[in-house]
Amino acid sequence: EIVMTQSPATLSVSPGERATLSCRASQSVSSSLAWYQQKPGQAPRLLIYGASTRATGIPARFSGSGSGTEFTLTISSLQSEDFAVYYCQQCNNWPLTFGGGTKVEIK
Amino acid sequence: EVQLVESGGGLVKPGGSLRLSCAASGFTFSSYSMNWVRQAPGKGLEWVSSISDNSHYIYYADSVKGRFTVSRDNGKNSLYLQMNSLRAEDTAVYYCATKPGSNSPFDYWGQGTLVTVSS
Repeated sequence: EIVMTQSPATLSVSPGERATLSCRASQSVSSSLAWYQQKPGQAPRLLIYGASTRATGIPARFSGSGSGTEFTLTISSLQSEDFAVYYCQQCNNWPLTFGGGTKVEIK
Repeated sequence: EVQLVESGGGLVKPGGSLRLSCAASGFTFSSYSMNWVRQAPGKGLEWVSSISDNSHYIYYADSVKGRFTVSRDNGKNSLYLQMNSLRAEDTAVYYCATKPGSNSPFDYWGQGTLVTVSS
């Protein structure tokens, strides 16, 4: 099983600032990496797939990078609606696995 | 517009059974792999099961293998999860989600249905 590790667990950021979230895979997943955003009481929403491709309707302030085992989600200028929990997921191997999540909170 | 609507959740005693359903609309259901993902209260996401478009390929997480059975009815645009021998640790919100193909993410999600296993 591929273990996905996200850091930090919690990130405190002021509105308008940049946020950088990390995700590490225990073995290579090539570029088969997705990022999701989840707000309280809501289902997850796909943000990024293929490590760096924004899903339909996702603002350009969200960007993904990386390949192999190291990945990054960057939110260039945090808006109020961006405070949420973010999960990475490897789409390459069974069982499909998620990271533990990073909570982005208001500083 | 893609819509996924889960139903069938509720309170069940340990050792009991429950059948979840997911009604799909707004896309060609028979062309998509369908999946169940769960989230225990206050916890992260856990993939549970996947079924290919034609039901030929089925996968389960080790935590549910032998107890849960996924199925689909393409004529009814519906996905199912039969859950037997339920345990307290199966308590979670269960989401159905679409997956366009191998190496693809879960691109659309339902709102989830809560399953509570408690005596």
